[in-house]
Amino acid sequence: GEDVEQSLFLSVREGDSSVINCTYTDSSSTYLYWYKQEPGAGLQLLTYIFSNMDMKQDQRLTVLLNKKDKHLSLRIADTQTGDSAIYFCAEYQTGANNLFFGTGTRLTVIP
Amino acid sequence: EPEVTQTPSHQVTQMGQEVILRCVPISNHLYFYWYRQILGQKVEFLVSFYNNEISEKSEIFDDQFSVERPDGSNFTLKIRSTKLEDSAMYFCASSEEPGLAGETQYFGPGTRLLVL
Repeated sequence: GEDVEQSLFLSVREGDSSVINCTYTDSSSTYLYWYKQEPGAGLQLLTYIFSNMDMKQDQRLTVLLNKKDKHLSLRIADTQTGDSAIYFCAEYQTGANNLFFGTGTRLTVIP
Repeated sequence: EPEVTQTPSHQVTQMGQEVILRCVPISNHLYFYWYRQILGQKVEFLVSFYNNEISEKSEIFDDQFSVERPDGSNFTLKIRSTKLEDSAMYFCASSEEPGLAGETQYFGPGTRLLVL
């Protein structure tokens, strides 16, 4: 079955880069997503990458995809205290027509 | 910017009672979804809905659950007889149409359901 894994916690100092990693198991994934969840709030779409791409950059966010290793990462440059949140990766499979979420990584930014 | 809205934001109910969670998807979207997140756990898919019928559903979505699009804007999730383990955050999402990046699902802020 589908299994999306992330490390649970990450702490970085303000101004440093954060790298949040995700592994997935289904090679038929077409899109991979990063969502951000602030305390008590909903899921905010941050960015996504299509499976035929290796990299996507969007302002401070860089997504890297290694299809061979089924590894996805989200890099946040110049991390700010407002970036503190839980970050979920999710994969979309065309046949299933729904998202499979990872466990979420709680990012803590230390001032 | 268009967004998915959900009401209520919080609901407390007694075990065995029926609850209806409401969602207004983004207006030009065609696919609608419900997910839930039990405290401290993964976000889990419940059901997808397209063209006035269920498209996919997970094992969680048993006979106690139902979905409906009663009019042109609302999308509802009904739990007929709530159980303690139904306590969770319930997220509604919508998307355009698969293909052409239409898989991107936009989520509402969630309804936190507490069953006592």
